[in-house]
Amino acid sequence: DTEVTQTPKHLVMGMTNKKSLKCEQHMGHRAMYWYKQKAKKPPELMFVYSYEKLSINESVPSRFSPECPNSSLLNLHLHALQPEDSALYLCASSLTTGGFNQPQHFGDGTRLSIL
Amino acid sequence: GQNIDQPTEMTATEGAIVQINCTYQTSGFNGLFWYQQHAGEAPTFLSYNVLDGLEEKGRFSSFLSRSKGYSYLLLKELQMKDSASYLCAVKANAGKSTFGDGTTLTVKP
Repeated sequence: DTEVTQTPKHLVMGMTNKKSLKCEQHMGHRAMYWYKQKAKKPPELMFVYSYEKLSINESVPSRFSPECPNSSLLNLHLHALQPEDSALYLCASSLTTGGFNQPQHFGDGTRLSIL
Repeated sequence: GQNIDQPTEMTATEGAIVQINCTYQTSGFNGLFWYQQHAGEAPTFLSYNVLDGLEEKGRFSSFLSRSKGYSYLLLKELQMKDSASYLCAVKANAGKSTFGDGTTLTVKP
């Protein structure tokens, strides 16, 4: 078990559905991240939140909409996804975005399949 | 841009030592992380280097040469459970870490 909790663990949705991925941490971390990981590939950064504000958006399509309601929660709202969006979505957190030796702590991910 | 290179696969024998190399070219540098990822699981942090030299943590050590854009992860006394993917990640600026493609290590009896 990791200290970053993601729900659901698996999600199957159609291209017209709307769903949300959730991520929670209680380590007092003020930086939170969303990554997309395809099989046998490294995690690709999507979004970074710093002190509940979006600080990095890696040119992610608007069908992915992040939200950070408070310092412990991070959501990823999904709408009108494409089959190529099927992947493992990882949430991570770190103490801050700056500073040295502040590794990211990853959740176990949500495995998303788009039909 | 960012360019991080690692070998795709490595095989080693239980009890042996293995060195996984990582070379990088990035537009900024705020440290280099090594993560371990078992199949179907989350990446977990192994080590961090920001200054040149060797960092040792039990069976794992990591080395950095900033002038050469080079790091390695050294795993000693290999165990079967060390079979995993090892990811080199460079933190270029605040918040953004770029991962290498990972090295899949297979430990054989």
